[in-house]
Amino acid sequence: AQSVAQPEDQVNVAEGNPLTVKCTYSVSGNPYLFWYVQYPNRGLQFLLKYITGDNLVKGSYGFEAEFNKSQTSFHLKKPSALVSDSALYFCAVRETDSWGKFQFGAGTQVVVTP
Amino acid sequence: SAVISQKPSRDICQRGTSLTIQCQVDSQVTMMFWYRQQPGQSLTLIATANQGSEATYESGFVIDKFPISRPNLTFSTLTVSNMSPEDSSIYLCSVLVETQYFGPGTRLLVL
Repeated sequence: AQSVAQPEDQVNVAEGNPLTVKCTYSVSGNPYLFWYVQYPNRGLQFLLKYITGDNLVKGSYGFEAEFNKSQTSFHLKKPSALVSDSALYFCAVRETDSWGKFQFGAGTQVVVTP
Repeated sequence: SAVISQKPSRDICQRGTSLTIQCQVDSQVTMMFWYRQQPGQSLTLIATANQGSEATYESGFVIDKFPISRPNLTFSTLTVSNMSPEDSSIYLCSVLVETQYFGPGTRLLVL
């Protein structure tokens, strides 16, 4: 069975500082890993994904994530946070034989203060 | 990618009634999913809806309560039947095009 954990309910960061949102996963096979962002009263927006290849993945809005197989982690990062990055972030995992079903984490609320 | 629209965007309904939510995709896709989300919470998968076959429901969700139609590769509906206040939630559809892409959601309040 696949699962994903986001250990932090909320992350607070000052504008201009680095932002990290943590995600760890558990799968029996090779993972497909994803990050989504949800702004208030909106659906989920795709940020980036890891399927295979380079462990450092770059995505939308200046975000990137690093796949670490030994630590089973896929942390989301942004070098310099903006107030507009304040939103709810979800990590998700899909196993290759899961019939396309994703397992979503509980979500991490990011609050960027001016 | 895929662009997805949902109707209605929000509704307020009386208990005991039913609401049908529509999901329209701008391209043909095989796999479509319906989720439920409480505000600020994670997503709970209701069912997988593939064109040409019966929807597959997750544990805790049944067809009588959440009937789903998938008449073609660009459209699906989810009906929330015999509603109670516990059905108040955000309902999201998504499609799989290697990545899952989501609609904007339908915000349902049951009184």
